[in-house]
Amino acid sequence: GAGVSQSPSNKVTEKGKDVELRCDPISGHTALYWYRQSLGQGLEFLIYFQGNSAPDKSGLPSDRFSAERTGGSVSTLTIQRTQQEDSAVYLCASSLGQGVYEQYFGPGTRLTVT
Amino acid sequence: GQSLEQPSEVTAVEGAIVQINCTYQTSGFYGLSWYQQHDGGAPTFLSYNGLDGLEETGRFSSFLSRSDSYGYLLLQELQMKDSASYFCAVDLTDSWGKFQFGAGTQVVVTP
Repeated sequence: GAGVSQSPSNKVTEKGKDVELRCDPISGHTALYWYRQSLGQGLEFLIYFQGNSAPDKSGLPSDRFSAERTGGSVSTLTIQRTQQEDSAVYLCASSLGQGVYEQYFGPGTRLTVT
Repeated sequence: GQSLEQPSEVTAVEGAIVQINCTYQTSGFYGLSWYQQHDGGAPTFLSYNGLDGLEETGRFSSFLSRSDSYGYLLLQELQMKDSASYFCAVDLTDSWGKFQFGAGTQVVVTP
């Protein structure tokens, strides 16, 4: 079946602009995760959704970052007033549900802020 | 604070065995996972240890010792395609769904 998909694959934006990143999880997966990966670094946890709810938003780096999930499926990560330090690969993953440790990752969106 | 420490790079020849250690300081977690990531690719799940002990999956094995606060991933019969980054991760008990990843270990396999 189809895996996790993300769009766009690459995004170049000017500092100060807003961007929206989209994630389409595997069908039937109720848990969805967003991570950020800077060049040569590990994955930084941003936010987790179980269904449409995000019980813990403390991983979001600043109030410029927000995320939502609708219909228990597609999720969007929005970054307002982008800064150069936001440049990174943003990865989305999904799993069957809460407490299921195996995550399936999408190919990521490479964001470059100029 | 909470942290997971891994060596930054390991080099080995084809056919060799490599052990990647992951030492951690964390208040509590459900289990230790390992992921593989090739350059430019997405991380893929390799293994999970919820309990202490050894888990074996083909050429890869993973181990966890909570009393020693460490785990490892063992790669046997190394192949060129095993050249990749390997990340350990824990799912934290203080927040549902929150995973913390190590910085990753770059494994370089040489002929």
